[in-house]
Amino acid sequence: GAVVSQHPSRVICKSGTSVKIECRSLDFQATTMFWYRQFPKQSLMLMATSNEGSKATYEQGVEKDKFLINHASLTLSTLTVTSAHPEDSSFYICSASRVGEPQHFGDGTRLSIL
Amino acid sequence: QKEVEQNSGPLSVPEGAIASLNCTYSDRGSQSFFWYRQYSGKSPELIMFIYSNGDKEDGRFTAQLNKASQYVSLLIRDSQPSDSATYLCAVNEYSGGGADGLTFGKGTHLIIQP
Repeated sequence: GAVVSQHPSRVICKSGTSVKIECRSLDFQATTMFWYRQFPKQSLMLMATSNEGSKATYEQGVEKDKFLINHASLTLSTLTVTSAHPEDSSFYICSASRVGEPQHFGDGTRLSIL
Repeated sequence: QKEVEQNSGPLSVPEGAIASLNCTYSDRGSQSFFWYRQYSGKSPELIMFIYSNGDKEDGRFTAQLNKASQYVSLLIRDSQPSDSATYLCAVNEYSGGGADGLTFGKGTHLIIQP
């Protein structure tokens, strides 16, 4: 089955720090990658959609200057949370897919901002 | 605004019985429907997907879709304690679900009692 790797799995850092999260599709070339966020006891909420070589499309209410997305290749997308604050603490999950196929999720990154 | 509704539970089912999970969605244009299983602290794992009205079976799992009623369900036969998790219903307006972000319900917490 499709394997999506996400790194790091856990980050704890001070307020004001920028944090980069990587998402890799290991055994397939993903046409699209997605970034979701999940707060405790809530469902996953789509943050942005990323296609290789083009600018990410952000959902309403998600600040594109705070959550920088780079999709450099068909197997790698990165999310950088710039100047993170405690309210950015959440479970960040990426997914990857090919056209016409279901999305497969990475293991997620638990971000804690002190 | 697209909405996906699920009963949050917990739904408690005896081991060996059938667990029935339900989901309704608001966007009549939705084309693909997914069930993900999420263990506490982990990312979602794809269980089943269905695109056409009717039933789709895969092992102990059966997904049922009724587009006229905007209703999708998941049946788990011969429930096992390892099935205890939160089950997320997700929908997408494109067939296959890979071209656009998923809209998730909040999930149903299922407990299988030994």
